[in-house]
Amino acid sequence: SAVISQKPSRDICQRGTSLTIQCQVDSQVTMMFWYRQQPGQSLTLIATANQGSEATYESGFVIDKFPISRPNLTFSTLTVSNMSPEDSSIYLCSVGSGDEQFFGPGTRLTVL
Amino acid sequence: AQSVAQPEDQVNVAEGNPLTVKCTYSVSGNPYLFWYVQYPNRGLQFLLKYITGDNLVKGSYGFEAEFNKSQTSFHLKKPSALVSDSALYFCAVRVYGNNRLAFGKGNQVVVIP
Repeated sequence: SAVISQKPSRDICQRGTSLTIQCQVDSQVTMMFWYRQQPGQSLTLIATANQGSEATYESGFVIDKFPISRPNLTFSTLTVSNMSPEDSSIYLCSVGSGDEQFFGPGTRLTVL
Repeated sequence: AQSVAQPEDQVNVAEGNPLTVKCTYSVSGNPYLFWYVQYPNRGLQFLLKYITGDNLVKGSYGFEAEFNKSQTSFHLKKPSALVSDSALYFCAVRVYGNNRLAFGKGNQVVVIP
């Protein structure tokens, strides 16, 4: 299995600002994923980030709002831009390893 | 499109009793099925998976799940629930060649001492 860490673990932000979330993996992985878990909801895939290529966004998510970087095989960032209270969620990084996906501890974001 | 249904919002069970969390799925193709558990203020932890082979799969913490192709179900079970099993449980599905996981809405399990 992969060990995944995320920074920050939580943050409280003002509307209109941006927050960048970091995801670090202890091994090299090809595929990384970013999910959003809104309060009391299930997980929704935001985008898939492969090293060396542009991220692939799911329906309802756009690069201008959620820009993603994937500079190498162990690291990725997700930025939540121009935040509004509706962006208050847990954001989770995930990596594919074999048949499975493993998840980071999440970043709990509150937008005031 | 692939989808997962977890019909119950909350499952209440007395400690020591059997625990079942239901999951049905819809995919085009052969499913890869997963169960994850989320404890308060923590990320998702992998419990078990079905890819191929024996329909009964065993996972972490004494959990098991049975793949039923005819009923398109993958119910999670534990013979004797513990209070520490109280958590949020997610069923997920994907198909071969597609790494996008579709999650169910989750079931809150409450084990009553």
